[in-house]
Amino acid sequence: IAGITQAPTSQILAAGRRMTLRCTQDMRHNAMYWYRQDLGLGLRLIHYSNTAGTTGKGEVPDGYSVSRANTDDFPLTLASAVPSQTSVYFCASSQDPRGRDEQFFGPGTRLTVL
Amino acid sequence: SQQGEEDPQALSIQEGENATMNCSYKTSINNLQWYRQNSGRGLVHLILIRSNEREKHSGRLRVTLDTSKKSSSLLITASRAADTASYFCATDDPETSGSRLTFGEGTQLTVNP
Repeated sequence: IAGITQAPTSQILAAGRRMTLRCTQDMRHNAMYWYRQDLGLGLRLIHYSNTAGTTGKGEVPDGYSVSRANTDDFPLTLASAVPSQTSVYFCASSQDPRGRDEQFFGPGTRLTVL
Repeated sequence: SQQGEEDPQALSIQEGENATMNCSYKTSINNLQWYRQNSGRGLVHLILIRSNEREKHSGRLRVTLDTSKKSSSLLITASRAADTASYFCATDDPETSGSRLTFGEGTQLTVNP
């Protein structure tokens, strides 16, 4: 079934540890995104990629990095996790590299940083 | 900062009733989208309305857009218990380069059987 997969589903992480959240899509979409969702704050964009090989900063990029080596994969790395990064993380993709069409979301990764 | 703001924050209705949710935004837009999120799941796209459109229908959903008031509404007719979810509006800012959809904080809809 075409779509977006994220791994892991959930993770408990000690502060200071490095963590990579994985995201893969098989729809050959140009653009990919990482959001975090926190209660009362809605979804906030962390990083995005218009096409393979390019990335950009969203609203809350500090403490996170991304790469887009190919069309399908868009991993999100926390170099040194802090408790404020406890959140639910969603990866999404869209066909339009300008991000002006519908976005398809993965099931999310629930991350707890202690 | 959030571009879209949904109103009300929470809405509880009986099955069969209509549900109306509103979204206000601050800047000009290319389009406005509505998404649904069931508890513990990812968002699912419902409908996209372009800035030159005023109304759009999809099944039991009706979306209106008033660019002069910078507002949109989502109407769900003949609601069902399965419509219980959070609903988000999202806008893109034509002045912003790159891929930018800004989401509101959502309306939590509860449809009681």
